[in-house]
Amino acid sequence: QKEVEQNSGPLSVPEGAIASLNCTYSDRGSQSFFWYRQYSGKSPELIMSIYSNGDKEDGRFTAQLNKASQYVSLLIRDSQPSDSATYLCAVRTSYDKVIFGPGTSLSVIP
Amino acid sequence: KAGVTQTPRYLIKTRGQQVTLSCSPISGHRSVSWYQQTPGQGLQFLFEYFSETQRNKGNFPGRFSGRQFSNSRSEMNVSTLELGDSALYLCASSLLAVAETQYFGPGTRLLVL
Repeated sequence: QKEVEQNSGPLSVPEGAIASLNCTYSDRGSQSFFWYRQYSGKSPELIMSIYSNGDKEDGRFTAQLNKASQYVSLLIRDSQPSDSATYLCAVRTSYDKVIFGPGTSLSVIP
Repeated sequence: KAGVTQTPRYLIKTRGQQVTLSCSPISGHRSVSWYQQTPGQGLQFLFEYFSETQRNKGNFPGRFSGRQFSNSRSEMNVSTLELGDSALYLCASSLLAVAETQYFGPGTRLLVL
């Protein structure tokens, strides 16, 4: 089992729709969770971090964390073509390493 | 504040050579992490430095090494390059060793021929 797994993708959604990105992790002791966005040919940039169970909202982005299920998700409301990118889930594990998932490619169709 | 800078941005080497990559973190940041990104393996953790000490290391062979200087700048070295070392090498800085948010540099793209 990989330490951090994400939807295989690619994910295509129409403009204005909600995009849902999912991530599961194996280390039950993990405490910090991050979503990064990476445009083709660019480096990752942080979208959101979440540390407690529940939802965290920032503009059009909502991160959801369920530690019991070892699951973290990212919802993008009113998706725009500029949201087309690869989304990386990252987990800071109990042994203090940051492990990235393989990423989910999102395409927002105008 | 200036962001994370990495030099060089692009590098071409041949098998067997060695390479040194440099990373300057955001001013005031003391933690620097290095990652290797390839299409097949994704983003993989190499090592993390804080206050000139290696705090953590990923599952890479000993050919990969790094260090951090007193001004928090960091270098990583890869010796005896192999074709499979061709990748984007990313450096990320954060304020403290246990701080959560990492800021990535633009990366160094290494091609090994």
